[in-house]
Amino acid sequence: NAGVTQTPKFQVLKTGQSMTLQCAQDMNHEYMSWYRQDPGMGLRLIHYSVGAGITDQGEVPNGYNVSRSTTEDFPLRLLSAAPSQTSVYFCASSYSEGESSYEQYFGPGTRLTVT
Amino acid sequence: GQQVMQIPQYQHVQEGEDFTTYCNSSTTLSNIQWYKQRPGGHPVFLIQLVKSGEVKKQKRLTFQFGEAKKNSSLHITATQTTDVGTYFCAGPKPNTGNQFYFGTGTSLTVIP
Repeated sequence: NAGVTQTPKFQVLKTGQSMTLQCAQDMNHEYMSWYRQDPGMGLRLIHYSVGAGITDQGEVPNGYNVSRSTTEDFPLRLLSAAPSQTSVYFCASSYSEGESSYEQYFGPGTRLTVT
Repeated sequence: GQQVMQIPQYQHVQEGEDFTTYCNSSTTLSNIQWYKQRPGGHPVFLIQLVKSGEVKKQKRLTFQFGEAKKNSSLHITATQTTDVGTYFCAGPKPNTGNQFYFGTGTSLTVIP
C-alpha cells in the first residue's frame, strides 16, 4: 500500500514550458485535490475532484488544468509555466461521504522552479 | 471570503518548555483539522475536532475547539526535539466536506 505518490520530486521549467505533475493513490479514495505551498501562505487549494470524471476549481485555479479519468490518478497540468508558479505542489486524497470531513493523506510533494 | 488565520507564525522554545498555536476562522466551522509538517516533508494528519468546546489529547498534545466553533488551539506540553515542524489548522469551506482552507501555519523550533 503506497498511499499517495507524486512524480517528479523536483522539476525546473523555463517560462512558457508546459508539464504535467503526476499523482496517484491506491486507497480507493473518491476525493483528490491539489495544493500549492508558498512561504508564509500555508496550503492553497488549486483544483479538486470528488470522483472520476468530476473536477472543480479551488482557491487558485488560474494557470492549471486537471482531469480525473480514473479513481486512482489525478494529474495537474501547467499549460504555460510562469515564475509565479514556482512552489511546492502537494496532492492529497481522502475518503468522501456527503458533507462529512475526513483525514487527508498527502503525497511527498513536487518542488517546481520556473525560471 | 472565508479566512483561517494562525498565530504565531514562528515560535522558538527551549526543550522542555510548553508551546501553543492558535487558529481563528472568520466563519463558523463544521469541524477543524490539525496537521504537522516536518521540515522538507509533507503534511500529516494529527486530529479532527467536531463538537463545540471539544478537547482531545494525544500524549503531550492537547487540542481544543472553541465554543463558537470559530477558533482552535494546539498546546504541546514539555516540548521535545521531535516536535520540530510546522503545525497547520484547516477548516472546511461551508457546505462542503473536504474542501479545506488551511491556516498559514506555525513553525516550531525546539532548542536542545
